[in-house]
Amino acid sequence: DTAVSQTPKYLVTQMGNDKSIKCEQNLGHDTMYWYKQDSKKFLKIMFSYNNKELIINETVPNRFSPKSPDKAHLNLHINSLELGDSAVYFCASSQDGDSNQPQHFGDGTRLSIL
Amino acid sequence: GDSVTQMEGPVTLSEEAFLTINCTYTATGYPSLFWYVQYPGEGLQLLLKATKADDKGSNKGFEATYRKETTSFHLEKGSVQVSDSAVYFCALREPRNKLTFGTGTQLKVEL
Repeated sequence: DTAVSQTPKYLVTQMGNDKSIKCEQNLGHDTMYWYKQDSKKFLKIMFSYNNKELIINETVPNRFSPKSPDKAHLNLHINSLELGDSAVYFCASSQDGDSNQPQHFGDGTRLSIL
Repeated sequence: GDSVTQMEGPVTLSEEAFLTINCTYTATGYPSLFWYVQYPGEGLQLLLKATKADDKGSNKGFEATYRKETTSFHLEKGSVQVSDSAVYFCALREPRNKLTFGTGTQLKVEL
């Protein structure tokens, strides 16, 4: 069983469109994250949620809006897509309250803007 | 803020060679330190971790020791295999479970 699953795996779309990426974890974790990995493999956190509450919100354009309907899901909606949004987006989860517990990552969603 | 610096790649080695990937960090406190590995087309997987000074993390023949005096967490393996080819990320954990990653080091192991 996949622990952290993201859909879709690949997303190709036009500039200006609105798209969503979904993430689900079946680990019973309390905290979920979104990361962006650019073409040079640099990985940076965007958001984290704990029990549906926003915890971390890095300097991300407000075109990006995370939504957590329950603690097992954290979706990422992106409005008015731009060329610079092309990247691989990773979802992750961890058991909150224990800083020694690692984050578990999904396989990523490769977003390509035409 | 906190930051992680790791050696640039790609690093190309022959099978059975010794591997070192350097990682140093800057932090106000004493964060937990991690090495993650990313195989082609996959997400990141935790390779090993250390939570306090002088701890040694180890897994699959890889080792790294948390050195407070040099603020380092270098990754080593005595004999690499072709299957170890991947991108390796050093990371530290800040408050609120925020992970800060280094830029990643690509390792290529050839026969």
